[in-house]
Amino acid sequence: AQTVTQSQPEMSVQEAETVTLSCTYDTSESDYYLFWYKQPPSRQMILVIRQEAYKQQNATENRFSVNFQKAAKSFSLKISDSQLGDAAMYFCAYSDGNQFYFGTGTSLTVIP
Amino acid sequence: KAGVTQTPRYLIKTRGQQVTLSCSPISGHRSVSWYQQTPGQGLQFLFEYFSETQRNKGNFPGRFSGRQFSNSRSEMNVSTLELGDSALYLCASSTSGRLDTQYFGPGTRLTVL
Repeated sequence: AQTVTQSQPEMSVQEAETVTLSCTYDTSESDYYLFWYKQPPSRQMILVIRQEAYKQQNATENRFSVNFQKAAKSFSLKISDSQLGDAAMYFCAYSDGNQFYFGTGTSLTVIP
Repeated sequence: KAGVTQTPRYLIKTRGQQVTLSCSPISGHRSVSWYQQTPGQGLQFLFEYFSETQRNKGNFPGRFSGRQFSNSRSEMNVSTLELGDSALYLCASSTSGRLDTQYFGPGTRLTVL
């Protein structure tokens, strides 16, 4: 069965610094997508970034980038120049085309 | 384009009652998925509907059911509510569901007393 593991329940970062959130997954599929979603307190879950497994190049979206290691089944999120608005719960997710599987989340605190 | 909307946003029910939650997907999206989010269990997949048919189902009891209408709007029903059903219920829509990005609604916060 597919599983997604986020081993860091909580992380903190100083404003303007860089932080990396970890995610590993387990699958026997070769074609799948990976996602990072952000859920601010009491607000809607939004997509941060996504990565297609067949693409070797790591996805980037402004200050957000991923380190996708397919062989290691690792998918970490790097947030550069952290801002107060980045404080949220971050969920790693995997989809093989049948359903989405989510990790348990990492709560990110940004320290001014 | 309007985002995913969910109604109601908040609900308070008592044990044994039933509840119906509604989700309107983004225009053009045909896949609607439902999730239960709790602090202890995280996001758990309930089911997915595509073109009025349940395409995938998670590991929840039969008290949880859903349906999708021809305009892709979806409803979720929980019968014989239990205290443990208290959660944030999230709906997400995507164009076809297969490897597509899911876009989430704000959720319905259900409290069972």
